[in-house]
Amino acid sequence: DTGVSQDPRHKITKRGQNVTFRCDPISEHNRLYWYRQTLGQGPEFLTYFQNEAQLEKSRLLSDRFSAERPKGSFSTLEIQRTEQGDSAMYLCASSLNRGGGRLYNEQFFGPGTRLTVL
Amino acid sequence: GNSVTQMEGPVTLSEEAFLTINCTYTATGYPSLFWYVQYPGEGLQLLLKATKADDKGSNKGFEATYRKETTSFHLEKGSVQVSDSAVYFCALSAAPFSGGYNKLIFGAGTRLAVHP
Repeated sequence: DTGVSQDPRHKITKRGQNVTFRCDPISEHNRLYWYRQTLGQGPEFLTYFQNEAQLEKSRLLSDRFSAERPKGSFSTLEIQRTEQGDSAMYLCASSLNRGGGRLYNEQFFGPGTRLTVL
Repeated sequence: GNSVTQMEGPVTLSEEAFLTINCTYTATGYPSLFWYVQYPGEGLQLLLKATKADDKGSNKGFEATYRKETTSFHLEKGSVQVSDSAVYFCALSAAPFSGGYNKLIFGAGTRLAVHP
């Protein structure tokens, strides 16, 4: 399977605990995005990487959140001191940017990690 | 700022009925517009896209036309099937010169249920 994979698919944790999610993009894709989707809403952009560089972070990404993509391949999203409001589906997407200004590079989404904070 | 508004669901239709899901947007510059679909238990999939005004995106019998004058991108299908039951998301990607870097801005989603 050459699609975007995410691990774990489900995570239940207690308030105050730290959690880490992993995303493996489609190989050779140089862009990687994290989104958060709460029940009944569309996904909201969190952050994005071009290779290993984190180029944009949303205001939604508080200082309890940190994302890395150390070798420009897989990425991790860590949430420290989880709160009940962090309960959501965390989606990862990847794309291949060939440059070209306004050209859109299709984002391929993974199945998501569903986080429940008790 | 950039935003997407789509009609609330659920939309319930009988098989072979005509489908319209309304989507309007607010954006600076010249965004690209998309419809994504999420089938039960699956990830988001790109259904169709349009990158400039008057473009029509189409796929699997679904169509949407980029209308700059009405800032709309309504999704239509002439004859729906039970297998089309899913959640549909309208989205935009801001133009690079406004700093969008291709991030997607989604509407809230519209659930479609098609009955035999």
